Amino acid sequence: DTEVTQTPKHLVMGMTNKKSLKCEQHMGHRAMYWYKQKAKKPPELMFVYSYEKLSINESVPSRFSPECPNSSLLNLHLHALQPEDSALYLCASSPLVWGTEAFFGQGTRLTVV
Amino acid sequence: RKEVEQDPGPFNVPEGATVAFNCTYSNSASQSFFWYRQDCRKEPKLLMSVYSSGNEDGRFTAQLNRASQYISLLIRDSKLSDSATYLCVVAPRGTGNQFYFGTGTSLTVIP
Repeated sequence: DTEVTQTPKHLVMGMTNKKSLKCEQHMGHRAMYWYKQKAKKPPELMFVYSYEKLSINESVPSRFSPECPNSSLLNLHLHALQPEDSALYLCASSPLVWGTEAFFGQGTRLTVV
Repeated sequence: RKEVEQDPGPFNVPEGATVAFNCTYSNSASQSFFWYRQDCRKEPKLLMSVYSSGNEDGRFTAQLNRASQYISLLIRDSKLSDSATYLCVVAPRGTGNQFYFGTGTSLTVIP
């Protein structure tokens, strides 16, 4: 199994809603990531989890709250988002072995209305 | 200054052409390098890792110049299916594997 699975694939939410994005991998990877990608731009790193602990937060606003319940799951809790937060949210995982690549999920396309 | 920079293109080339993409990175602590490919509205997928000695995979050749902090990707005999955005990715040595993406280079191969 070399897949990273993200749900939902599409999400439309209002600015007062609370929603969560989910990501799952069964490759035994101990690093997991959230990226945000706007149209015609590269993915931007948001958070990195290593051994289920948050190791990197790239100055992301607190309306995005990551959670890593176990080594296979990564969530991104969303609350009070703004329309400019509309983007493709990509989850990735990688082994914690130097020089190995990251594997990406298909992403959740989020629209904030 | 951005961590990783690429010429955004677009590159429009005929089938069979050879095309080269360049990428520069600013963090000299960067230790791992990759080329990813991203098709429209899809996730990035690894094309190839880039090794210090350079490496080749079929029609694709990647080179690394640490002294100049420069990475390149050469595509020979371009196919229509090569049309995509090519993203240079670097990972500095540090906590976890942080992967930073270049701005991407758009390639369209024309029949």
